[in-house]
Amino acid sequence: DTAVSQTPKYLVTQMGNDKSIKCEQNLGHDTMYWYKQDSKKFLKIMFSYNNKELIINETVPNRFSPKSPDKAHLNLHINSLELGDSAVYFCASSLSRGFTYNEQFFGPGTRLTVL
Amino acid sequence: AQTVTQSQPEMSVQEAETVTLSCTYDTSESDYYLFWYKQPPSRQMILVIRQEAYKQQNATENRFSVNFQKAAKSFSLKISDSQLGDAAMYFCAYRNSGGGADGLTFGKGTHLIIQP
Repeated sequence: DTAVSQTPKYLVTQMGNDKSIKCEQNLGHDTMYWYKQDSKKFLKIMFSYNNKELIINETVPNRFSPKSPDKAHLNLHINSLELGDSAVYFCASSLSRGFTYNEQFFGPGTRLTVL
Repeated sequence: AQTVTQSQPEMSVQEAETVTLSCTYDTSESDYYLFWYKQPPSRQMILVIRQEAYKQQNATENRFSVNFQKAAKSFSLKISDSQLGDAAMYFCAYRNSGGGADGLTFGKGTHLIIQP
């Protein structure tokens, strides 16, 4: 029944490690997103991706990279983790067709803690 | 670039009372979407209400309604008959209209406390 799922829900790791967060949606959506929520609860778009374009927020370090094996998945890879990467990461998806709005459905979030 | 401002970091209201959360935004676009999301302690993001900029009528969803003032670029959320379950962070968000892969631009959020 889960619409947008993320694994893992919690991730604790050491500085310098490389980690991935997986996201899957079973809604048949064609666009997926990654957001970062910092310790002050501020939510910011990191990436948005559909089969036509990848939009990267210019403030995102290139240590972060989205990888989409198919339309239902958008994984987030993070290299050389830093303390400042500690945050909650949300995946979301929507159906973007023409000029019709479609709601973004959010996953449950992954809390990443870098020690 | 679009910006969204929520000037109230925290609001408190008595149960059953009405509370209004403020949001202003800045954009050069004429057509766009505005949203209010709720994030309870479970951290799940829940869409409360949305407004299409081309619609003059304010959106309403049960106890939740908005006051959309396009010229003033203001989009406030009114919660009537507040309930304990309304306690959460509330985020105002903006999205350009049209298709494509545009994400949401969020405000910094308002922490809503419901006093029993």
